[in-house]
Amino acid sequence: DAGVIQSPRHEVTEMGQEVTLRCKPISGHDYLFWYRQTMMRGLELLIYFNNNVPIDDSGMPEDRFSAKMPNASFSTLKIQPSEPRDSAVYFCASSLLSYEQYFGPGTRLTVT
Amino acid sequence: KQEVTQIPAALSVPEGENLVLNCSFTDSAIYNLQWFRQDPGKGLTSLLLIQSSQREQTSGRLNASLDKSSGRSTLYIAASQPGDSATYLCAVQGAQKLVFGQGTRLTINP
Repeated sequence: DAGVIQSPRHEVTEMGQEVTLRCKPISGHDYLFWYRQTMMRGLELLIYFNNNVPIDDSGMPEDRFSAKMPNASFSTLKIQPSEPRDSAVYFCASSLLSYEQYFGPGTRLTVT
Repeated sequence: KQEVTQIPAALSVPEGENLVLNCSFTDSAIYNLQWFRQDPGKGLTSLLLIQSSQREQTSGRLNASLDKSSGRSTLYIAASQPGDSATYLCAVQGAQKLVFGQGTRLTINP
């Protein structure tokens, strides 16, 4: 299995631009998670899906952030408009039932 | 609200030593606990997962223990090697959510 796939690996954008991060979970996994990692706050859960349905988005920092999972093999995390404080590494992870989570390589986002 | 603390924040030891990393959590109502490894600029690699009903798990030179009642876990690394240098993260799972500690940055000196 290819593991969790994320794209792009690096994204540099200007403040105010829309940013879309993409994730392909491991085939057959029914849970998908989006995390953000910063030096100050460590790893934080933003939102997670079960069978393509958003279950808990309480970690989404504000309305500028949105996430979708149109099918079992694809999810997006969108930031519109982006701000410098959104600069971080964004990880996607997937799991089967509630068991071990497998993480993707992350997307390093820099907003200037 | 679950809080996870890892001590120490950084550790540097000579190659060959056995070492212990510590993790504590405030809410004992967990489903499982995972230890991850993160190399600089990379993603997370799962090392060990301990179910709430288990006391320990072993994988090669790694052994993780769990004392749910006291809210503690340890990761024991035997015969450390320079390749073990990385940040080690502890995460506890309640329902589907993983709550992470801040990690221990480990350096093994040749």
